[in-house]
Amino acid sequence: DAGITQSPRYKITETGRQVTLMCHQTWSHSYMFWYRQDLGHGLRLIYYSAAADITDKGEVPDGYVVSRSKTENFPLTLESATRSQTSVYFCASSLWDRNEQYFGPGTRLTVT
Amino acid sequence: KQEVTQIPAALSVPEGENLVLNCSFTDSAIYNLQWFRQDPGKGLTSLLLIQSSQREQTSGRLNASLDKSSGRSTLYIAASQPGDSATYLCAVIRRSAAGNKLTFGGGTRVLVKP
Repeated sequence: DAGITQSPRYKITETGRQVTLMCHQTWSHSYMFWYRQDLGHGLRLIYYSAAADITDKGEVPDGYVVSRSKTENFPLTLESATRSQTSVYFCASSLWDRNEQYFGPGTRLTVT
Repeated sequence: KQEVTQIPAALSVPEGENLVLNCSFTDSAIYNLQWFRQDPGKGLTSLLLIQSSQREQTSGRLNASLDKSSGRSTLYIAASQPGDSATYLCAVIRRSAAGNKLTFGGGTRVLVKP
């Protein structure tokens, strides 16, 4: 089905473990983004990518790693999860950086 | 640094009343402004995008205005329905030497009572 999808939708992991959140879009959009949403902080940009193999930091990149080997995929990895990374993570994409952004359904991550 | 504010944080209206949601931003050097809807536990649904050169944008019962000089946007929802109950977020794409970024407001939580 066309659109932007995220997996898993829910994840519980332990402190110190590595976890990867997946994002896939079928529109061939150039730009992809990762946000986290927390009470009291709203939505904050973690990383973004302008094209395959081009990524850059957002507002809160510490503790996260991204890669983009293919245009349609933009995985987000927490190398050593901490409780402060408990959050809802949203992936988004847009044709160019000035265009309308479309969001995935989100991944709710709990770090125990 | 761009700051985006939405007031009020929550709003409750009876069904049929028009909704007026406010968004203000501190830096007028924006490319566009986007309004989203978020239902509880769900992702963000894009409602309207206003280019910086536009003054308003309409889609069905929704109308969004933009006044860059005063740093304000308003989302109007005509004849509200219980199904309009959700959190509404505005976001601006600001110009930045480090790349154009989307900055979100905190949202307005709307409840439309039948």
